[in-house]
Amino acid sequence: SQQGEEDPQALSIQEGENATMNCSYKTSINNLQWYRQNSGRGLVHLILIRSNEREKHSGRLRVTLDTSKKSSSLLITASRAADTASYFCATAPYNFNKFYFGSGTKLNVKP
Amino acid sequence: DAGVTQSPTHLIKTRGQQVTLRCSPKSGHDTVSWYQQALGQGPQFIFQYYEEEERQRGNFPDRFSGHQFPNYSSELNVNALLLGDSALYLCASSLGKGGYEQYFGPGTRLTVT
Repeated sequence: SQQGEEDPQALSIQEGENATMNCSYKTSINNLQWYRQNSGRGLVHLILIRSNEREKHSGRLRVTLDTSKKSSSLLITASRAADTASYFCATAPYNFNKFYFGSGTKLNVKP
Repeated sequence: DAGVTQSPTHLIKTRGQQVTLRCSPKSGHDTVSWYQQALGQGPQFIFQYYEEEERQRGNFPDRFSGHQFPNYSSELNVNALLLGDSALYLCASSLGKGGYEQYFGPGTRLTVT
């Protein structure tokens, strides 16, 4: 299965701390994307990293990709209560435009 | 700039019935994908429409079918509903076939009783 798997399943931190979540996948990919979902509603696209990239930044978000280990990590710095949500990684294999999502990491940021 | 819209927001159906969900893509997007998300799980890919044709399909039975219209909007139809079809159905739009970032709608919550 191409499916990405996030780790940990749940994470609880204090506001201001950093949150790190990881994603592992099984086969070669074209790109990997991270999404956020609040309260079981629509997903919000956070960042896309292509297979030939190793690191990308967007505001307080930092994503790394290690294709040799088939893994990615999402770092949220200086977390806020508003960051409380579920975070999913989605992988897109080459030549296909369908995405495989993992089960997500549920992040709780306590004020 | 309108984002992805879906209708209805919530829906309650009885086993054996049929349902149609609707999606309008983000302005400028031509590709629509549908996902099923069970409670506590990640979205599962159902299928994707591009140029009014089904281009990719996930591991879903033929009870799940769809359509894309010339204005790029799309419908998801599910026949002979089962209790296990209860889920959040998400529509995502993107540009072209190249694995570009997808923009998701708010979803339709389907409950089958």
